[in-house]
Parts: sequence; C-alpha cells; structure tokens
Amino acid sequence: KQEVTQIPAALSVPEGENLVLNCSFTDSAIYNLQWFRQDPGKGLTSLLLIQSSQREQTSGRLNASLDKSSGRSTLYIAASQPGDSATYLCAVLCRDDKIIFGKGTRLHILP
Amino acid sequence: DGGITQSPKYLFRKEGQNVTLSCEQNLNHDAMYWYRQDPGQGLRLIYYSQIVNDFQKGDIAEGYSVSREKKESFPLTVTSAQKNPTAFYLCASSNGVPDPNQPQHFGDGTRLSIL
Repeated sequence: KQEVTQIPAALSVPEGENLVLNCSFTDSAIYNLQWFRQDPGKGLTSLLLIQSSQREQTSGRLNASLDKSSGRSTLYIAASQPGDSATYLCAVLCRDDKIIFGKGTRLHILP
Repeated sequence: DGGITQSPKYLFRKEGQNVTLSCEQNLNHDAMYWYRQDPGQGLRLIYYSQIVNDFQKGDIAEGYSVSREKKESFPLTVTSAQKNPTAFYLCASSNGVPDPNQPQHFGDGTRLSIL
C-alpha cells in the first residue's frame, strides 16, 4: 500500500531564506508526483507536476525534484516571501489510478 | 473560466440525516475524486470515478455513496452510517491515467458540521 510522508510537519523561516520541503513515498510505481499549495479553509492549487520519467520541474521561485528509485521528492523555494506561507502537500498518482497525499508541511515565513 | 465548483461552502447535518455535497466540473475531465481532510490527517480518498457510470471505493468509503451519471458531475452523499462526518470535503478532477501529465484540479471545498 502506497504511503506518502512529508517532513517536516511545520516550518518557520525568516523572509528571504531559501528552503526545502521533503516528500517520500513507499512504492516507486507511480505515474507522477504533484506538489500543491493550500491556504487555510481553501482548496488546493497545483504548483508543479513531475512525470515519472522526469527529474525536476521549475516554475518561478519553485523547483521540484523527483528521485523515483529512492522514493523521494523535494520542493525548493527560493527567496521566500510572507505570501508563501501556506500548507504544502505532495501527492502521487499510482498505477491503480488512485492519488495518495502526504499530510502536508505547514510553512510560515516570518516578515 | 474552466474549473470545479463545490456547493455548498458550509453544510450542517442533523443526527440520522443524509446530506449530499455537489461537485461540478467544466474541464471535460474523465476522472473525478472525493477526499476528506481532517486536521493532522492530510487528504484521504473516499471515492473516485474514472469514467461515467463507474466508480471505485477509496480508503475510507464506509458511510458514503456517490454517483456518476454525467461526466461533469460527481455528487457525494454522506449517509447516517458515517458516524464522524465533520470534516472538510474536497472534490477534484483530472484527465486520469490516460494523460498523467495533466495536473489534478481541486474545488474550494465544503465544510460539513454536525448540529
């Protein structure tokens, strides 16, 4: 059974710092991995999607990497801003068409 | 603009009552999903549907039912058998496995509470 783990559960960093969020999964037989952002009381916004054949994706200040063989992904946020404060979730699309989520990392950027 | 619409935003249920959460998408996506989110639990899959008139149980389907009579609609009924229904419910859609490079899109959620 696929399990997705995100570490740390919460993170506070001063504005301007670069930071890394971690995601690990137990079954490497995935189609893709997706990073989402969730603001309090809201739905999820897709940030980056990495196909299983890809190693990384970039969008603006965000860079996501995927190492499928080791079951790991990282989300790198450069030059963090207070507006980046949110919960970040990773999810994998499995071969049985299920999408399994991690519990998320709550990020707080200190002004 | 294409997207997913969930309604209502807030919903209250009395003991022993069934309630139905609406989810509509105009993205022409084949696959639709229902998730439940509890504090500290992340998102857990309730039901998903890959095509019209077909759906599969997720990890926590007990006490819930769904239908997929139209491609754009995937309503979720929370039955009286669900003993702890208070949660934030999220609906999502995607092009599914045939096109796994397309991201999943989410609605803004429905918060269900027990009176």
